[in-house]
Amino acid sequence: GENVEQHPSTLSVQEGDSAVIKCTYSDSASNYFPWYKQELGKRPQLIIDIRSNVGEKKDQRIAVTLNKTAKHFSLHITETQPEDSAVYFCAASHGSSNTGKLIFGQGTTLQVKP
Amino acid sequence: KAGVTQTPRYLIKTRGQQVTLSCSPISGHRSVSWYQQTPGQGLQFLFEYFSETQRNKGNFPGRFSGRQFSNSRSEMNVSTLELGDSALYLCASSLGGGREAFFGQGTRLTVV
Repeated sequence: GENVEQHPSTLSVQEGDSAVIKCTYSDSASNYFPWYKQELGKRPQLIIDIRSNVGEKKDQRIAVTLNKTAKHFSLHITETQPEDSAVYFCAASHGSSNTGKLIFGQGTTLQVKP
Repeated sequence: KAGVTQTPRYLIKTRGQQVTLSCSPISGHRSVSWYQQTPGQGLQFLFEYFSETQRNKGNFPGRFSGRQFSNSRSEMNVSTLELGDSALYLCASSLGGGREAFFGQGTRLTVV
C-alpha cells in the first residue's frame, strides 16, 4: 500500500548549521511532494513543495530534492535559526489524479540550539 | 480571505458516545480531507470529499464517517467512541490534486 517513511525522527543542530530530513515513498504513481512545518500547538503549514517533473526546488534557506528513480526526496535547511524549531512532515500525493489525499511521513522534530 | 475553520476546537466525550466535527474550507476549495493526528501515529488520512462525493478513504473502521455539503463544508462523525479515538482531528482544503492543502487549527477530541 501507500507508505512514506521519514528519517530521522528527531534532529538537533546548532544555530547556523544545516539540517537534512529524508523521506522515501512506496507508490511510484506519486508525483506531488509537499513539506509541512508544524509549530507547537499550531496547524501544519506548507513550506515548500515539488512535483515529479522537477529534481530540485529552492526557496531562500529551504530546498527540496527529488530522486524519482530511488523514490527519495529530502528537505534541506541551511543557516538554521531558533525559529526553525518545529515538527516537519513530508508527504506524497497523486497530483495527476486530482486527489487532495496526502500520505504523510511520521514527522521529524527539529531543535535548533542558540 | 478566510482560512480553514474547524469547530469546535475542543471536545470531551465519554466512551460509547458519538461526535460530529465541522470544517469550513477556504472559499472556492472543493476538496476537503480529514486527518487524525496522534503522537505515536503522526498524521493519518481519514477520507477526502470533493463536490459532495467521497473520493478516497483511509484505513479506519466504519465508525468514522463523513459528508460534504453543497457549499463544500464538511462534517466528520465518529460513533461508539473508544479511548483510542482521542486525537487532534485536522481538516485540509485545496483546489484539488497537486495543489497546496491548507489546514484548519484542528479539533482536539478527548474520550474518557
